[in-house]
Amino acid sequence: GDSVTQMEGPVTLSEEAFLTINCTYTATGYPSLFWYVQYPGEGLQLLLKATKADDKGSNKGFEATYRKETTSFHLEKGSVQVSDSAVYFCALRHTGANSKLTFGKGITLSVRP
Amino acid sequence: GAGVSQSPSNKVTEKGKDVELRCDPISGHTALYWYRQSLGQGLEFLIYFQGNSAPDKSGLPSDRFSAERTGGSVSTLTIQRTQQEDSAVYLCASSQGPQGEQFFGPGTRLTVL
Repeated sequence: GDSVTQMEGPVTLSEEAFLTINCTYTATGYPSLFWYVQYPGEGLQLLLKATKADDKGSNKGFEATYRKETTSFHLEKGSVQVSDSAVYFCALRHTGANSKLTFGKGITLSVRP
Repeated sequence: GAGVSQSPSNKVTEKGKDVELRCDPISGHTALYWYRQSLGQGLEFLIYFQGNSAPDKSGLPSDRFSAERTGGSVSTLTIQRTQQEDSAVYLCASSQGPQGEQFFGPGTRLTVL
């Protein structure tokens, strides 16, 4: 079945540091890929997405590129801020009858001033 | 406009009791999903409703779990004879069609004593 694997956490960075959060997936066909974010005390919200190979999703300075050859969708940001402290989830979704999301386990990012 | 709402926000119950969790999706959204977020298992899909089609119940962990969606709008997730392993945050999401962006509610935190 489908699965999403994220790097182990938590991750602690200083403000303005470069961020990479690894995500790889296992799936048949051509799923869409997503990064969701959960800020402290808030609900889960979509950060960015990519629907086909080589697409790059971007939002709020974050980027991720859909790499079919390595089945990866790593999240990057050039300069993190304290306000980026949150839990980040990588997910995939098929275009089939059930469009459920399959999530990775999530990783907690803490950014210190 | 209003987002996805869920009630109650917190529920504490005793082992063996039944509980009902409610989800009000965004108006006009035809697709509705239930997920469960727990420490050991991460975010797991439970059940999916799309319009008037039969729901996809493939994620329900046992026959103690059931859900219904009345009039294509409000949904109720029922857990019968609750067990301690049912303790988790139950998330509801809705989307405008199966391939639309899923918007998540704030969740119901269930604690089974």
